[in-house]
Amino acid sequence: RKEVEQDPGPFNVPEGATVAFNCTYSNSASQSFFWYRQDCRKEPKLLMSVYSSGNEDGRFTAQLNRASQYISLLIRDSKLSDSATYLCVVNGGSYIPTFGRGTSLIVHP
Amino acid sequence: DGGITQSPKYLFRKEGQNVTLSCEQNLNHDAMYWYRQDPGQGLRLIYYSQIVNDFQKGDIAEGYSVSREKKESFPLTVTSAQKNPTAFYLCASSIFGDGELFFGEGSRLTVL
Repeated sequence: RKEVEQDPGPFNVPEGATVAFNCTYSNSASQSFFWYRQDCRKEPKLLMSVYSSGNEDGRFTAQLNRASQYISLLIRDSKLSDSATYLCVVNGGSYIPTFGRGTSLIVHP
Repeated sequence: DGGITQSPKYLFRKEGQNVTLSCEQNLNHDAMYWYRQDPGQGLRLIYYSQIVNDFQKGDIAEGYSVSREKKESFPLTVTSAQKNPTAFYLCASSIFGDGELFFGEGSRLTVL
């Protein structure tokens, strides 16, 4: 089993839709969790940190479920500009960030 | 402005040549990382360093070498032993133990 797993998609949704991605991790000692956004041929950029209590930033909501070992990202009211690859990052007990393969999102008019 | 600078942005090399990719940060971060990304794939860890003068192999270190003589600098050498070096290389840094990564703009290496 891979350490961090994501459905690669692509998720193809119309503008205004709500879309959710999940990411599962295998190391129960993992300490911190993040979602990054990566545009085509660019470096990843931090979208959100994921806290135990969950957190929200505008249209984006991230949640952590330690019991089931997954994190989620919910995007409401999708915009064309949300089209990108969303990378899940898990920081294990050794403080080495491990990336999921990424989930591709395509928002169409 | 603080950040990470990678150079060159684009690099072409002939088979059998070693190349060195530069990575410099002025964020005063202890930890630095090199990742490789192939088309349609996630990031795979090549090497990482959590302190000056120390570094560890990641998942795909074969054919690569690094040094960490200064806190600010973590150059990556792609050697001729790397069988398939064409890829997008990303350098990142973080405050040790925090996990939030700051990335450079990447170096795109093409072997001709």
